[in-house]
Amino acid sequence: GNSVTQMEGPVTLSEEAFLTINCTYTATGYPSLFWYVQYPGEGLQLLLKATKADDKGSNKGFEATYRKETTSFHLEKGSVQVSDSAVYFCALSDRSNTNAGKSTFGDGTTLTVKP
Amino acid sequence: GAVVSQHPSWVICKSGTSVKIECRSLDFQATTMFWYRQFPKQSLMLMATSNEGSKATYEQGVEKDKFLINHASLTLSTLTVTSAHPEDSSFYICSARSRVGETQYFGPGTRLLVL
Repeated sequence: GNSVTQMEGPVTLSEEAFLTINCTYTATGYPSLFWYVQYPGEGLQLLLKATKADDKGSNKGFEATYRKETTSFHLEKGSVQVSDSAVYFCALSDRSNTNAGKSTFGDGTTLTVKP
Repeated sequence: GAVVSQHPSWVICKSGTSVKIECRSLDFQATTMFWYRQFPKQSLMLMATSNEGSKATYEQGVEKDKFLINHASLTLSTLTVTSAHPEDSSFYICSARSRVGETQYFGPGTRLLVL
């Protein structure tokens, strides 16, 4: 079956530090990959996505590149802000109809950015 | 991006009562909606996949008679927690997708507390 493994948290950084959250996946097909962000007490918001190998998703200074050879989709940001404090989920969406296109989520990584 | 709403955002009820949660896609037609449950500091657990006009597909271990799902239109799915008990207290999140392989857009979640 499909699975997503995320870097364990929590991660604590100082403002303006460089962020990397590792994400690797296993999938039987050719999935789409996503990063979602969840702020306290809220639902998930799509942060960025990539649908094919070597695609780079980017949004709000965050980036992730779909690496098929290493089955990875690591999230990076060059300079984090206090407002980036949240839980980040890596996910894949199975594009095969046999699996109804269900998504598989990682366990989430809690990021705290201190001023 | 696409917008998904949930109602209510908060509900407190007595043990034994039934609670209905609505999930609406506001600006797109959702052929598929997903219902998740999230426990504190944990990832999302998929409960069921709901396709418009057909019966929901439940994940293993989820009681279909306990969690009734209806997806009567392309913009609305409902989850009814029947005869709720304190152990059903949780954060319930829906997501909606227009077709397989497309992005899932999440609702803001409904926090249920059963007394």
